[in-house]
Amino acid sequence: NAGVTQTPKFQVLKTGQSMTLQCAQDMNHEYMSWYRQDPGMGLRLIHYSVGAGITDQGEVPNGYNVSRSTTEDFPLRLLSAAPSQTSVYFCASSPPHRGLEDGYTFGSGTRLTVV
Amino acid sequence: ELKVEQNPLFLSMQEGKNYTIYCNYSTTSDRLYWYRQDPGKSLESLFVLLSNGAVKQEGRLMASLDTKARLSTLHITAAVHDLSATYFCAVTTGTASKLTFGTGTRLQVTL
Repeated sequence: NAGVTQTPKFQVLKTGQSMTLQCAQDMNHEYMSWYRQDPGMGLRLIHYSVGAGITDQGEVPNGYNVSRSTTEDFPLRLLSAAPSQTSVYFCASSPPHRGLEDGYTFGSGTRLTVV
Repeated sequence: ELKVEQNPLFLSMQEGKNYTIYCNYSTTSDRLYWYRQDPGKSLESLFVLLSNGAVKQEGRLMASLDTKARLSTLHITAAVHDLSATYFCAVTTGTASKLTFGTGTRLQVTL
């Protein structure tokens, strides 16, 4: 099925460990982005990309790295996990807004706990 | 810096009643979105609003946009239990790759 695929769905990390959250889309969308969702705070943008080889920081980028070597993939790396990074992470993709109804497709999320 | 505010944060309503969720944003926006999220699930797109005066309806939900007031509303008509969820508004401005979300409104429809 076409869409945005995130792996893993659940992860428990120890403080200081590193890991990569995977995000892949098969809709040939140019735009991809990562959000974290915390209770009472909505979703906040971590990093985003407007195309392969181009990334930029969002509202809460500290502690996270991204790269975009292909159109399809946009992995999010936690360099040294901290309890403050316990959250639900969503990846989203979108075509450029040339069409009137172009919107965002969200992945199913990764629930991360850092202990 | 773009800020998006929703109110109320929590809404408990009886089945059959009407209510409105409000979404205010602080700067000129290109597009406004409404999403629904069920507990433990991803976000489901409800509406995309592009221009001043835009109104969209789907079932018991109707969304409108007033760009001059920087205000969008999500009106619920004759609520049913199945509408219980958290509703988010989000806007884009400038770079289309960036969505700024409101804090969400948790809707609970009781019998």
